[in-house]
Amino acid sequence: GAVVSQHPSWVICKSGTSVKIECRSLDFQATTMFWYRQFPKQSLMLMATSNEGSKATYEQGVEKDKFLINHASLTLSTLTVTSAHPEDSSFYICSARARWGTGELFFGEGSRLTVL
Amino acid sequence: RKEVEQDPGPFNVPEGATVAFNCTYSNSASQSFFWYRQDCRKEPKLLMSVYSSGNEDGRFTAQLNRASQYISLLIRDSKLSDSATYLCVVNGRRGSSNTGKLIFGQGTTLQVKP
Repeated sequence: GAVVSQHPSWVICKSGTSVKIECRSLDFQATTMFWYRQFPKQSLMLMATSNEGSKATYEQGVEKDKFLINHASLTLSTLTVTSAHPEDSSFYICSARARWGTGELFFGEGSRLTVL
Repeated sequence: RKEVEQDPGPFNVPEGATVAFNCTYSNSASQSFFWYRQDCRKEPKLLMSVYSSGNEDGRFTAQLNRASQYISLLIRDSKLSDSATYLCVVNGRRGSSNTGKLIFGQGTTLQVKP
């Protein structure tokens, strides 16, 4: 079946550094990818919608200059957390929608970010 | 009001029990509904879609009540492996259009004990 791979699965960084998370669709082309964030014991909150070849659409309250999204190809979207701070520590999950069939949504394994 | 609301639980039940989770959604124009399962520190995985007529998959039964904007998930003969968080998910709508986004509830935690 279709697989979405996220990397890294976990990362620890110092405050002020930038962290890049990759989301790849391994055996299908994804015109749209979604980035979610989940804090402990809370629901997944959509951060932005990433469209191949165009600018990402950010949800209200999400700073586009802090969370840079690049969807340069049909199989890769990246999320860069710039100048990370401890409050950015969270579980970041991407999902990709297949171009074919029902457009089922597939999730990556998630990336756990800890900012010290 | 949250777009998708669930009782966070936790629900602690013995093995073999039947347990039901409920979920309400605020947008009456919503068209697609799902139940996802999320294990601790893992990504959500699709458990089942919810159809208007109700649907069953083994020990799991999903129901939709559009009039009350209410979705349910019933688990029969609970197994230890059913312990997880169950997320109610609704496809986002803006006016008459499907946004393509999934709106997640907070999740209901189930703990099945021996």
